[in-house]
Amino acid sequence: NAGVTQTPKFRILKIGQSMTLQCAQDMNHNYMYWYRQDPGMGLKLIYYSVGAGITDKGEVPNGYNVSRSTTEDFPLRLELAAPSQTSVYFCASSYREYEQYFGPGTRLTVT
Amino acid sequence: KNEVEQSPQNLTAQEGEFITINCSYSVGISALHWLQQHPGGGIVSLFMLSSGKKKHGRLIATINIQEKHSSLHITASHPRDSAVYICAVTAGNQFYFGTGTSLTVIP
Repeated sequence: NAGVTQTPKFRILKIGQSMTLQCAQDMNHNYMYWYRQDPGMGLKLIYYSVGAGITDKGEVPNGYNVSRSTTEDFPLRLELAAPSQTSVYFCASSYREYEQYFGPGTRLTVT
Repeated sequence: KNEVEQSPQNLTAQEGEFITINCSYSVGISALHWLQQHPGGGIVSLFMLSSGKKKHGRLIATINIQEKHSSLHITASHPRDSAVYICAVTAGNQFYFGTGTSLTVIP
């Protein structure tokens, strides 16, 4: 099993550009999550999904969109990138509310 | 005010020492998680617990629901334990994370 995979690993965006961060898991987990981690700060939940076709906002959803068309994939869309979105983004998955498995992260810089 | 507070923020120990990291939370929870973030950035789940105590190798996690407090203990610490340890809680459909405890174990 590959576990949770994320692409890309690194990305530099200009202000106002858009991009999609990809996340996939092969563990047949129904729950998936997107977090951001700012330097010196704790992880913050952006969006989560409890199954295909169902998504909900976390603590910091503004500036982001998600979709969950399949169990395996949970992409995160950034529209009109802003410097405040410079962060490390982690995707995770779990079977229901149990132990979460994290992807390796995507380091995003918006300049 | 953060829903999850950890202490200490930074900790340096000599190899072999017994280490304790504390976590306090202010919300009603269904579960508490301890995570380990390696220097390279990868995050691994160590424990998920809702009561009592769990042990895995040299790691022990305890939780006191009444006091809203959890501890992570590392026995016989080793330099490979050097990492950031993160406490997180599940409260309804939300997850709240502490800012982490940075542990350095010196040989």
